[in-house]
Amino acid sequence: GAVVSQHPSRVICKSGTSVKIECRSLDFQATTMFWYRQFPKQSLMLMATSNEGSKATYEQGVEKDKFLINHASLTLSTLTVTSAHPEDSSFYICSAERNSNEQFFGPGTRLTVL
Amino acid sequence: GENVEQHPSTLSVQEGDSAVIKCTYSDSASNYFPWYKQELGKGSQLIIDIRSNVGEKKDQRIAVTLNKTAKHFSLHITETQPEDSAVYFCAASYGEKLTFGTGTRLTIIP
Repeated sequence: GAVVSQHPSRVICKSGTSVKIECRSLDFQATTMFWYRQFPKQSLMLMATSNEGSKATYEQGVEKDKFLINHASLTLSTLTVTSAHPEDSSFYICSAERNSNEQFFGPGTRLTVL
Repeated sequence: GENVEQHPSTLSVQEGDSAVIKCTYSDSASNYFPWYKQELGKGSQLIIDIRSNVGEKKDQRIAVTLNKTAKHFSLHITETQPEDSAVYFCAASYGEKLTFGTGTRLTIIP
């Protein structure tokens, strides 16, 4: 099956700093990648859709200046949480789309902001 | 927008018994319904999916049923094994945007 990796798997940072999370499709090219946030005991919430070579599309309520997304190549998308605060602590998951509607998820990144 | 509800949130079954997880959706335009298995320390994996033009799909011990009229779909796992223990998510989509259920933690009791 298709493999999607995320790095780092776990990160702890101080309030006010920025954190970059990478999402890579290892064995296929993904024109579209998605970033999700998962709260405890809640479902995955779509944050934004990342399209290679163009600006990301953000869901309502998600601050684009706070969650910077760059999809520089067909195998890499990055999410940067800028000026992180404790309320940004969460589990962030990316997925990459191989074919129409076929998404493969990364293992997730646990962000803890102190 | 689409709203997906998933039940139960936790489920424990004896090894060898069957497990059923149910989801309902709100948007009648949704036409694709995947199920994901999320194991601890691993990425979520697509285990089975169904499109709205069929009512049932089976893959070995796993099956999914879809009732478009009632807008609900279910995951059935038969002859459960310890390795089936995981969190399962259902999702519904029309186009590329998936809306997920809240997940079901399935525990198989040896």
